[in-house]
Amino acid sequence: ETGVTQSPTHLIKTRGQQVTLRCSSQSGHNTVSWYQQALGQGPQFIFQYYREEENGRGNFPPRFSGLQFPNYSSELNVNALELDDSALYLCASSPRRRNQETQYFGPGTRLLVL
Amino acid sequence: AQTVTQSQPEMSVQEAETVTLSCTYDTSESDYYLFWYKQPPSRQMILVIRQEAYKQQNATENRFSVNFQKAAKSFSLKISDSQLGDAAMYFCASAGGGSEKLVFGKGTKLTVNP
Repeated sequence: ETGVTQSPTHLIKTRGQQVTLRCSSQSGHNTVSWYQQALGQGPQFIFQYYREEENGRGNFPPRFSGLQFPNYSSELNVNALELDDSALYLCASSPRRRNQETQYFGPGTRLLVL
Repeated sequence: AQTVTQSQPEMSVQEAETVTLSCTYDTSESDYYLFWYKQPPSRQMILVIRQEAYKQQNATENRFSVNFQKAAKSFSLKISDSQLGDAAMYFCASAGGGSEKLVFGKGTKLTVNP
């Protein structure tokens, strides 16, 4: 069974640029959630995708957007990068068989905005 | 809104001894779930243990157990026979029954001394 994978592992961008982060869900999982983890903090929920539709969103501006593909992989796009967007971005997948399924996390993408 | 509070930024324990990490939460949901995740320096968030709020019995997973006090909204993690590999950041998280959004605390850094 393949776990959750994310790419790239590290990324450096400059303020104002755009970035795309990618996530492949664990085999058999149809739900993907994205989290932002600032240094020294717990992860903050960005949004979730279930069967290619956004299924909940946290307190993040519209320049944070996402996609889920038919194979349940997902992308997180961030436009007009700001210095405060520097963080670890975590993707988590779950099978969504019941109301609440455990989320399994990928290794994350470390984004640095200069 | 859900909140999770971890009041111990750092804890240390001697190898082979027992340590307890504290967590309190607040939620208006009647159906909710609680989790402890471990994040080693490799950054990957790993599930340690999960508790369904409707279950009175405390969850256990090998050396890891919880003390779930529903009325006090307390959810502590006990690690028995601590090992060097247990050193990591530990995050407490909650999720409402109708949502897979995880709300995390700020984490507790656990050091295991040989």
